[in-house]
Amino acid sequence: AQKITQTQPGMFVQEKEAVTLDCTYDTSDQSYGLFWYKQPSSGEMIFLIYQGSYDEQNATEGRYSLNFQKARKSANLVISASQLGDSAMYFCAMREEGNKLVFGAGTILRVKS
Amino acid sequence: EAQVTQNPRYLITVTGKKLTVTCSQNMNHEYMSWYRQDPGLGLRQIYYSMNVEVTDKGDVPEGYKVSRKEKRNFPLILESPSPNQTSLYFCASSLLAGGYSYEQYFGPGTRLTVT
Repeated sequence: AQKITQTQPGMFVQEKEAVTLDCTYDTSDQSYGLFWYKQPSSGEMIFLIYQGSYDEQNATEGRYSLNFQKARKSANLVISASQLGDSAMYFCAMREEGNKLVFGAGTILRVKS
Repeated sequence: EAQVTQNPRYLITVTGKKLTVTCSQNMNHEYMSWYRQDPGLGLRQIYYSMNVEVTDKGDVPEGYKVSRKEKRNFPLILESPSPNQTSLYFCASSLLAGGYSYEQYFGPGTRLTVT
């Protein structure tokens, strides 16, 4: 079974609108961490946001927020007020106990002007 | 400037010819890791290391070796490369806090083609 599932291969969003990128995970660990990374067309990997499994509040970083629903095992990324520069591939990842890191297949986001 | 460097950035080689991709970080990070990125599969962890002389297998370690003799360096070795190892490779590092890794800093990537 996939440990990280990103069900949206591609998404379009209008500039200045909000968009949600889905991520579900599968783990039996009690302690784990969830990450989102951005990969623009230039290829570098950029850290966006982190959520720990014991964190009670949803993580936020500027225009990025993580909608963490532990019982549903979902960790969706919400980008508010989309900008053209947000067009990129987005990866959800999970750190398991022992510090192994598992990535999803990614979602390509295109922001339309 | 805090960074992770990888060399070479591009490499074309032939089946069976041993190669090493170097990775170095200047942030004094304990945790270092190698990933390969393939279309439709995202990034898959090859090996990781939480300290000098401590390495662990990720999800796809077959055909790869690593070593961590110094804290700053974590080379990836392909003893006998095969065409199915053609991929984009990333090295990354992070601090450990409470025994856990957090935000990872990625190198620029190495595009390897094995013919």
